[in-house]
Amino acid sequence: GENVEQHPSTLSVQEGDSAVIKCTYSDSASNYFPWYKQELGKRPQLIIDIRSNVGEKKDQRIAVTLNKTAKHFSLHITETQPEDSAVYFCAAKAAGNKLTFGGGTRVLVKP
Amino acid sequence: DAGVIQSPRHEVTEMGQEVTLRCKPISGHDYLFWYRQTMMRGLELLIYFNNNVPIDDSGMPEDRFSAKMPNASFSTLKIQPSEPRDSAVYFCASSDSPVRYEQYFGPGTRLTVT
Repeated sequence: GENVEQHPSTLSVQEGDSAVIKCTYSDSASNYFPWYKQELGKRPQLIIDIRSNVGEKKDQRIAVTLNKTAKHFSLHITETQPEDSAVYFCAAKAAGNKLTFGGGTRVLVKP
Repeated sequence: DAGVIQSPRHEVTEMGQEVTLRCKPISGHDYLFWYRQTMMRGLELLIYFNNNVPIDDSGMPEDRFSAKMPNASFSTLKIQPSEPRDSAVYFCASSDSPVRYEQYFGPGTRLTVT
């Protein structure tokens, strides 16, 4: 089955700096890659996603890039703010409609 | 829309007791997913349904776990008998088609088995 690796597990950045989280996946048939943000004690919430026919997608301060050849995708957050502090999960969808999640990255934005 | 609804939000029970978690998906969504989240194992898919039919239950840890979806607006996850290692947050999520893949999570049920 699909396997998703996510790095780093923790990330501390200064407010205003950029944050980058990287994920790799194993199943070349995967065609959908969402990113979820989970604040402490809350549910995971979808923040951005990308499909395998697109190389990059942006939404204000966040962007996701996908390299199908290398089987990796990344989340970029620019101009980080304290409210960006959370755990971020990447995921990949292969066969069926099931998502396989990475292990999560705890992001701390220091004011 | 109220989003995905789960109950109870918190459950504390003793080892050996039966636990039933409930989920109401977003109206019109035909996929429903049950996940378990722990610090050690992260976010794991337990089972998912399409049009009330279980499609993949390969993530269900053992026979103590069972899930049903008797109709399009209700699903249950049952653990019988419960064990301390079942302590986790259980999330239900739904999505609306095999083309729109976005999954929307409920608030979760925090289960503690003592």
